[in-house]
Amino acid sequence: AQSVTQPDIHITVSEGASLELRCNYSYGATPYLFWYVQSPGQGLQLLLKYFSGDTLVQGIKGFEAEFKRSQSSFNLRKPSVHWSDAAEYFCAVGAGSNYQLIWGAGTKLIIKP
Amino acid sequence: NAGVTQTPKFQVLKTGQSMTLQCAQDMNHNSMYWYRQDPGMGLRLIYYSASEGTTDKGEVPNGYNVSRLNKREFSLRLESAAPSQTSVYFCASSGQGFSTFGSGTRLTVV
Repeated sequence: AQSVTQPDIHITVSEGASLELRCNYSYGATPYLFWYVQSPGQGLQLLLKYFSGDTLVQGIKGFEAEFKRSQSSFNLRKPSVHWSDAAEYFCAVGAGSNYQLIWGAGTKLIIKP
Repeated sequence: NAGVTQTPKFQVLKTGQSMTLQCAQDMNHNSMYWYRQDPGMGLRLIYYSASEGTTDKGEVPNGYNVSRLNKREFSLRLESAAPSQTSVYFCASSGQGFSTFGSGTRLTVV
């Protein structure tokens, strides 16, 4: 069955430190992969997406993610986090031709001053 | 600004009451979706519409109905609200390979 796993429910990082959020997926075909961010009380905003080609994709707000087919992973990274990055981050896999998404449960990012 | 607009933003219902959540997009997207978001469960698809005139069930359709009124509008109806339907509801539309979300409706059923 298709699924997305985000192993960390929450992560605490000091401001200025690097960040990596993990995402593993189970999908039979070549996946379309997404990272979205949700600030408190807000909707979801697309950070980046991978469809094909270069496995390292750049997104908004200084985020990047790397697709590793052998590990079924699509981890999100940022070299130096800012307090404004505190939010919940969702990984998703696109399933089917209508961009239906299968979602991970989310990782809440907490920034320590 | 182009995007997805949901109304209302907040709603409190009594058990058994009905209501319709409205969603409109102005990006000329064919596909539209309704999700519910519950703590620790990510987003779960309730219904989707691949194009005007079609609707299909998602992962958790029970207790809901939808109408794709035209290409822009996709409404979600709760006929007889239950406390289990307390959640945050998001509408989304898809185009250019990704989904754009509305800001959500926080629904409480008491």
